[in-house]
Amino acid sequence: KAGVTQTPRYLIKTRGQQVTLSCSPISGHRSVSWYQQTPGQGLQFLFEYFSETQRNKGNFPGRFSGRQFSNSRSEMNVSTLELGDSALYLCASSLAPSGVIYNEQFFGPGTRLTVL
Amino acid sequence: QKEVEQDPGPLSVPEGAIVSLNCTYSNSAFQYFMWYRQYSRKGPELLMYTYSSGNKEDGRFTAQVDKSSKYISLFIRDSQPSDSATYLCAMSGGGADGLTFGKGTHLIIQP
Repeated sequence: KAGVTQTPRYLIKTRGQQVTLSCSPISGHRSVSWYQQTPGQGLQFLFEYFSETQRNKGNFPGRFSGRQFSNSRSEMNVSTLELGDSALYLCASSLAPSGVIYNEQFFGPGTRLTVL
Repeated sequence: QKEVEQDPGPLSVPEGAIVSLNCTYSNSAFQYFMWYRQYSRKGPELLMYTYSSGNKEDGRFTAQVDKSSKYISLFIRDSQPSDSATYLCAMSGGGADGLTFGKGTHLIIQP
């Protein structure tokens, strides 16, 4: 069974640009969560999608947005990039949404975003 | 004060030693506790999951949760160089609020 895949793996952008990252969950998984990982703040929850609906969002500005498609694939978008947005962006998939019962989140390898 | 505190290390121990990794937390609503291992350039992978207080053992790994002290631990017995990685604790209250992670401890097992 294929794991969570994220594309692209590496990305370099300049301040003010926007970026779109993609995540394909494990087959059969309908919940996708996004996290930002930086050396200073560690792993921080961005948002979760289930059945094409955003269930919850972490404490990030509105420049961070996402969506989920009917095949459960998800994208996140960051507009007007800032230097501080440089991070590893991780996607995790699970069978059910959080809050139903505990269910394991499987992480992808991440997309390394560098903002110059 | 962050919700979850974890010493970033690095923690360097000789091969075969028992490793103790710890996290403290402040949110009493947390009831699901997890340990993830993350190798360089990889995503985190789940090692152990514990609900509420108590101990759980899986091979060389033992997870302990003390909710009264808001303290969780991961013990690794007979440590191997392949255990060298960053270990992240994570917690959840069970609601739709995502996981709250510690910053991770960088562990080095010296051959």
